[in-house]
Amino acid sequence: SQKIEQNSEALNIQEGKTATLTCNYTNYSPAYLQWYRQDPGRGPVFLLLIRENEKEKRKERLKVTFDTTLKQSLFHITASQPADSATYLCALVGSSNTGKLIFGQGTTLQVKP
Amino acid sequence: DADVTQTPRNRITKTGKRIMLECSQTKGHDRMYWYRQDPGLGLRLIYYSFDVKDINKGEISDGYSVSRQAQAKFSLSLESAIPNQTALYFCATSPTGLPYEQYFGPGTRLTVT
Repeated sequence: SQKIEQNSEALNIQEGKTATLTCNYTNYSPAYLQWYRQDPGRGPVFLLLIRENEKEKRKERLKVTFDTTLKQSLFHITASQPADSATYLCALVGSSNTGKLIFGQGTTLQVKP
Repeated sequence: DADVTQTPRNRITKTGKRIMLECSQTKGHDRMYWYRQDPGLGLRLIYYSFDVKDINKGEISDGYSVSRQAQAKFSLSLESAIPNQTALYFCATSPTGLPYEQYFGPGTRLTVT
């Protein structure tokens, strides 16, 4: 069955460092991979996406990579700030018109000042 | 004003009661979704709707029903609530075409005692 995995352990880093979060998947060939941010008690917010034929995508301090051979996406936040502390979810989208996403369980990032 | 709104934001109900969660959106999207989120399990799809006449079951639809009253409104009902339906419920919308990025409401925290 399709499976998407994110590190369930919280990631703790110092302010100013680069945070790197991992999303691995199996038994799936996604057309897109999306990343969301979720703050406690709030709905997820879409951040950015990357297509299957793209290796890297950037948006301000965010960078996403996508390796379809390794079946893995890495999400980087450079020059991290305490305000970046949140849970980050990855989601897979297939190329068929099902309109459904498969979400990972999320990784919590804590940036310490 | 928020693009996707949910009511109520919090609800405590007793086992066996019928409860309805409502979702409204002003994004003009045809596609709407209901998810539940439990600690450690991530977001799981309950139902989704591509338009007013097209409603589909998600991975965990048992015990739930939905109604799409208009393009902008999508309601989730628990016909006879049970304690393991205690969770955070999110409504989301997405554009019709790929990559279906999701826009979430603020969530409803439901407790069934």
